[in-house]
Parts: sequence; structure tokens; C-alpha cells
Amino acid sequence: AQSVSQHNHHVILSEAASLELGCNYSYGGTVNLFWYVQYPGQHLQLLLKYFSGDPLVKGIKGFEAEFIKSKFSFNLRKPSVQWSDTAEYFCAVNTGGFKTIFGAGTRLFVKA
Amino acid sequence: DTAVSQTPKYLVTQMGNDKSIKCEQNLGHDTMYWYKQDSKKFLKIMFSYNNKELIINETVPNRFSPKSPDKAHLNLHINSLELGDSAVYFCASSQVRSSGSDEQFFGPGTRLTVL
Repeated sequence: AQSVSQHNHHVILSEAASLELGCNYSYGGTVNLFWYVQYPGQHLQLLLKYFSGDPLVKGIKGFEAEFIKSKFSFNLRKPSVQWSDTAEYFCAVNTGGFKTIFGAGTRLFVKA
Repeated sequence: DTAVSQTPKYLVTQMGNDKSIKCEQNLGHDTMYWYKQDSKKFLKIMFSYNNKELIINETVPNRFSPKSPDKAHLNLHINSLELGDSAVYFCASSQVRSSGSDEQFFGPGTRLTVL
């Protein structure tokens, strides 16, 4: 069965630290990849997405992600986090149909 | 302009009651979804409708019955509510193309508490 793994369940960083959140999926075919963010008490919003083309994707608020097909990975990065980045981050994979599978989420806490 | 709206935002009810949550999207998308998010923030797909037709029906108790009167609306009715139904329920919509689903737009969520 297709699955999405987010290795870090909880991450605590100080402001200005660099961030990398891991995401791996299990599917051998073409995929559409997404990272969503959920700020406390809010709904999920799209950070960035990858369908095809340049595997390095830039999103909102200084986030970027790199698709590495050989590793089935789509890791999220930000060079310098801010207190306002405290949120839950979800990686999601669509394998071409109607169903998008979400990872379990990574809770990021940024200390001011 | 709210893209995906849900009502109510909060729902507190007793075990055994029946309740409904409504969802509407004004994005012109052809596919709508219901997700359940538990206390650990895990997001689980429940149902999906494409052009009013049920496409995804995950292993959800048949106490949960979705209804899509048109492409812009997807409602969720829950019978005989149980304590374990307490969660946040999110509605979402997306446009599904031949290459798959584009990004999903989520509603604000309905926090259901069953006492």
C-alpha cells in the first residue's frame, strides 16, 4: 500500500536555526507532491507543490523542498526559521488519482 | 471571499445524538473531501466526491453518511454519535486533472466534541 513517512514527529529549534523536515513515500510511479502547514488552531494551507520540472521547488515564506526521485523523498527546508513558523507540517502525495495521502505530520516549535 | 466554508465551527453534543456538518466551496472545483483529524493531528481521509459521485469511501462506520447535492456542496451527517467521534473534521476541495489531484483547499474545520 502507498504510504508517506515523516520521520520527525517533534522538532524544537531556536530562531534563526536552519530547518529540514524529512518526507519519504512508497510508490514507484509518477507522483504529485505537496507540503502543507497548519498553524495553531487553523486549517491546512499549501506551502509548496511539485508536479514536474525543476526538482527544487520554492514556496511561500522562504520554504523550499527538493524532490529526489531515486530516494523517494521530498524534504522541506528553510535556512532560518522564525518564531512564527511554529506549526504542524504535513507532507502529502498524490499518485495520479483522487486520493492524496498525508503523512502523520511534524510539529515544529521555534523558541524565540 | 471564503473559498471553502464549513458550518458550524464548533459542535458540542451528547452521545447518541445525530448531527450534520455543512461544507461549501466557491472555487469551481470538481472534487470535495472530508477528513478527520484526531487529537494527535493525524489527518485521515473519510470520503471524496467527484461531480456529486462518491469516489472514495474509506473504512468509516456507516453512521457517517456524506451527501453532495451539487458540485459545490458536501455535507456530512453523523448518526448515533460516540465518544470516539470527537475530533476536528475538515472539508476540502481540489481540481482533479488527468495527472492527478492539484492542491487541496481546506475549510476552517469543525471541532466536534461528544460528551
